[in-house]
Amino acid sequence: DAKTTQPNSMESNEEEPVHLPCNHSTISGTDYIHWYRQLPSQGPEYVIHGLTSNVNNRMASLAIAEDRKSSTLILHRATLRDAAVYYCILRDVQGAQKLVFGQGTRLTINP
Amino acid sequence: EAQVTQNPRYLITVTGKKLTVTCSQNMNHEYMSWYRQDPGLGLRQIYYSMNVEVTDKGDVPEGYKVSRKEKRNFPLILESPSPNQTSLYFCASSLIGSVGSPLHFGNGTRLTVT
Repeated sequence: DAKTTQPNSMESNEEEPVHLPCNHSTISGTDYIHWYRQLPSQGPEYVIHGLTSNVNNRMASLAIAEDRKSSTLILHRATLRDAAVYYCILRDVQGAQKLVFGQGTRLTINP
Repeated sequence: EAQVTQNPRYLITVTGKKLTVTCSQNMNHEYMSWYRQDPGLGLRQIYYSMNVEVTDKGDVPEGYKVSRKEKRNFPLILESPSPNQTSLYFCASSLIGSVGSPLHFGNGTRLTVT
């Protein structure tokens, strides 16, 4: 099963950019990179996903390394409401759908 | 509103008393899955289903059963619950075969087995 590695925790200041890294050295050609976040007392929510090219949406940006073995979720101006656990997972849309979430990165935002 | 609905939100039961946690989605998704979340262990997949009558084991299937008789429902069954199944459970659904389909999660069921 394709797995990802993330730092256990990160800390940043409000209104500053945040770069959350994810390593996925065993990624296959048909794996999409997905990011989810989990706010306290809630279920995970989708943030962004991509295959090869960098992606932007209203919540965040996703930067994917050229060899696809790592990616970075970018929050351009962190707010206190961005404090959450962020999960990076690989999802193969052609194969089995056994997904491995791992422990994610707990992001703390300082006011 | 597109959503994944889990019931109940909270459940306290005793060892050995069979229980079912329901999960329903209104988005016509083929894929559905169950996860448990425990402190320090993150989200771990229990079972998943690619479509009606198609289910498969995740990483921690022991002690759990599932069924997928209808596309919208994917109940999680604990035939004989034990205290080590005390956990926070999440159901999720998505399309498959579409470009990087995102998962939609329910709000969770907190189960306590005494």
